[in-house]
Amino acid sequence: NAGVTQTPKFQVLKTGQSMTLQCAQDMNHNSMYWYRQDPGMGLRLIYYSASEGTTDKGEVPNGYNVSRLNKREFSLRLESAAPSQTSVYFCASSSGTGVGELFFGEGSRLTVL
Amino acid sequence: GEDVEQSLFLSVREGDSSVINCTYTDSSSTYLYWYKQEPGAGLQLLTYIFSNMDMKQDQRLTVLLNKKDKHLSLRIADTQTGDSAIYFCAEIPSNQAGTALIFGKGTTLSVSS
Repeated sequence: NAGVTQTPKFQVLKTGQSMTLQCAQDMNHNSMYWYRQDPGMGLRLIYYSASEGTTDKGEVPNGYNVSRLNKREFSLRLESAAPSQTSVYFCASSSGTGVGELFFGEGSRLTVL
Repeated sequence: GEDVEQSLFLSVREGDSSVINCTYTDSSSTYLYWYKQEPGAGLQLLTYIFSNMDMKQDQRLTVLLNKKDKHLSLRIADTQTGDSAIYFCAEIPSNQAGTALIFGKGTTLSVSS
């Protein structure tokens, strides 16, 4: 029962470098999400994909791009990392129906120097 | 815009009751949720309440919903040290496609023995 798997779990970048956070779910869920968690700010939605082939901006999309590669995978890309993007990133998925429960990965801790 | 507000900290003694409060803004939310985050982990759904209910009880957990005041509370009876975690209130904004949740900033519950 893998659920939602995120890689890498930890990453240190220098300002201006690029990287991609990978996320995969094995629950056949339609919807996938990327959130960031910062102290005192709670979780903020970056991007989401309501279904395969669609993506939409959330509350804090600037500086990020996403790709819904297929139904299982949803990646988050930082093209030119900035110290303000230092955060813990969570991927989540849901069936998109019913109660709407979100299932979260364990998080990816990113530090931008 | 949508906003979900919570107090940031709560400290209780083991065996006492804990009450975590939340106010939300979107009166069209079908469900309101409480998620729990243990240290170093992602969020997990703790409980939820359908918007046409005033109260939901689930073992040690009681959720109260006051739609008139847009107030949601989570009561944990006989609080244990294992309940120490961050608790997030969440809703799905009605003006958003899909089922992306908007979270409050989280209440850190500290339980002392």
